[in-house]
Amino acid sequence: RKEVEQDPGPFNVPEGATVAFNCTYSNSASQSFFWYRQDCRKEPKLLMSVYSSGNEDGRFTAQLNRASQYISLLIRDSKLSDSATYLCVVERGSGTYKYIFGTGTRLKVLA
Amino acid sequence: NAGVTQTPKFQVLKTGQSMTLQCAQDMNHNSMYWYRQDPGMGLRLIYYSASEGTTDKGEVPNGYNVSRLNKREFSLRLESAAPSQTSVYFCASSEIHGSGNTEAFFGQGTRLTVV
Repeated sequence: RKEVEQDPGPFNVPEGATVAFNCTYSNSASQSFFWYRQDCRKEPKLLMSVYSSGNEDGRFTAQLNRASQYISLLIRDSKLSDSATYLCVVERGSGTYKYIFGTGTRLKVLA
Repeated sequence: NAGVTQTPKFQVLKTGQSMTLQCAQDMNHNSMYWYRQDPGMGLRLIYYSASEGTTDKGEVPNGYNVSRLNKREFSLRLESAAPSQTSVYFCASSEIHGSGNTEAFFGQGTRLTVV
């Protein structure tokens, strides 16, 4: 089993739709979780950290479920500009500084 | 404020050649990382340096060496390049925020082809 697993997609959704991605992780000691966005042939950039209580940033909501060991990302009112690959990142354990990336979920928002 | 700067951006090597990928950050971060990204594989951690003077292996360290030259610079060396090392290489740096979570900033990547 991979340490961090994501559905590679692609998810093709119309503009204005709501879309959700999940990411599962295997190390129950992990404490830090993130969603990164990567545009084609560009470097990954932080979209949002994922906190235990869940957090929201505009149209984006991230949640953590420690019991089931998964994090989720919800995008509401999808825009064409949201088309990208979304990478789930989990720190291996706690305080290890080893950040493990999922393979990414590709999103295409269609006009 | 340049963030994380990687050089070169593109490189073609012949099998068996050596080269060093350079990375520098100007954000005074303690931690630095080297990742490689291959189609369908996501980013895989090669080596990381939690702080100046320390380096540790990541998921795929074989065939690579690193040097944390100072707090700003973290280089990745391929001693004898192989076609399997054809990839996009990303350097990153991070720091711990008060919340305990960190944000990693990435360089623009080095596209390496080994023929």
